[in-house]
Amino acid sequence: GNSVTQMEGPVTLSEEAFLTINCTYTATGYPSLFWYVQYPGEGLQLLLKATKADDKGSNKGFEATYRKETTSFHLEKGSVQVSDSAVYFCALGRRNYGGSQGNLIFGKGTKLSVKP
Amino acid sequence: DSGVTQTPKHLITATGQRVTLRCSPRSGDLSVYWYQQSLDQGLQFLIHYYNGEERAKGNILERFSAQQFPDLHSELNLSSLELGDSALYFCASSVAGGAEQETQYFGPGTRLLVL
Repeated sequence: GNSVTQMEGPVTLSEEAFLTINCTYTATGYPSLFWYVQYPGEGLQLLLKATKADDKGSNKGFEATYRKETTSFHLEKGSVQVSDSAVYFCALGRRNYGGSQGNLIFGKGTKLSVKP
Repeated sequence: DSGVTQTPKHLITATGQRVTLRCSPRSGDLSVYWYQQSLDQGLQFLIHYYNGEERAKGNILERFSAQQFPDLHSELNLSSLELGDSALYFCASSVAGGAEQETQYFGPGTRLLVL
């Protein structure tokens, strides 16, 4: 089946530290991969995405590379800010054949807290 | 602002009651998705409508139902409410029928509290 596993949180970092949030997936076919971010009290926002192997998604200093050989899509940022404190969700987009999972399958989320 | 609107923002009700949550997708989007987010279950897919037709159904309780209207807005009906139904309910929309590369745009959510 299709699933997404991301590292357990919470993750606490100091400002300007390097961030990595690990995400691995299991899927049939060739899924697309997404990172969504949820700021406190808000809905989910797309952060970045990649639609095929070796693609790199990037936005607001965050990057993730679609690695088919390791089935991974790790999120990285070189220097985090306090404003990056949020919950980050890795997700897998599969063709919607119906069934109970829907076409966007989310990991459990990783809470990031950045301290000044 | 994603362009997806949800009303109401907050809802407080009692066990056994029925409520309706409303969602307006982004202009031009044909698909609407409903999710439930709770602390213990995380983000759970409930149901997907595409251009008025049900496309996929997740772990949606029989007490819950949804529909998408000709103007493409959607409503999620929750009935015989239980304490455990307290959660954040999100609506999302996408431009077409749910292809694997389609981005879903999320609304701000409706926070439901059942007392």
